[in-house]
Amino acid sequence: AQSVTQLDSHVSVSEGTPVLLRCNYSSSYSPSLFWYVQHPNKGLQLLLKYTSAATLVKGINGFEAEFKKSETSFHLTKPSAHMSDAAEYFCVVSEETSYDKVIFGPGTSLSVIP
Amino acid sequence: NAGVTQTPKFRVLKTGQSMTLLCAQDMNHEYMYWYRQDPGMGLRLIHYSVGEGTTAKGEVPDGYNVSRLKKQNFLLGLESAAPSQTSVYFCASKGGAGSYNEQFFGPGTRLTVL
Repeated sequence: AQSVTQLDSHVSVSEGTPVLLRCNYSSSYSPSLFWYVQHPNKGLQLLLKYTSAATLVKGINGFEAEFKKSETSFHLTKPSAHMSDAAEYFCVVSEETSYDKVIFGPGTSLSVIP
Repeated sequence: NAGVTQTPKFRVLKTGQSMTLLCAQDMNHEYMYWYRQDPGMGLRLIHYSVGEGTTAKGEVPDGYNVSRLKKQNFLLGLESAAPSQTSVYFCASKGGAGSYNEQFFGPGTRLTVL
């Protein structure tokens, strides 16, 4: 069975410092993995996705994530946090089913301190 | 393109009342989904549709019904609202089959049941 664990419910960083949001997954298949961002009172926006091509995936707004099969991880990073990065981040795993089932992690809330 | 839109944005119901949430997408997507978002739980799938005229149950379908009479619209109904259905509801759409295809989300409907 698939599952997604986001290891930190809340992360706080200072503006200009690196961001690391951790995600571990379990899947019986070769998964597709996604990171979505949700700003307050907004819908979810895709940051990046892994679909079995390059293991290092670059996304929007300077974010990137590395797929590590041996560690079943898909951590999200950014070299330098910006105030506008404050939001909720969701790691998502998808598997091939009749409707392409997706499992959402519980989310990590990122705060950026000026 | 407007993408995925949801109507209404906010609603307050009394226990036992009924309502319908409308989701519309202008991307000619085949797949559509309804989720609910509750604090600390990520998003959970209520119902989904893989094409016009088809619907199926997701993870938490009890108390909800759906219809997909037109390809671009996916309606979520609450026949007799309960306080446990207080949540934020998101609609999403996807172009077609393939776990590597991302879902596009609407802005959400915030529902409170008193």
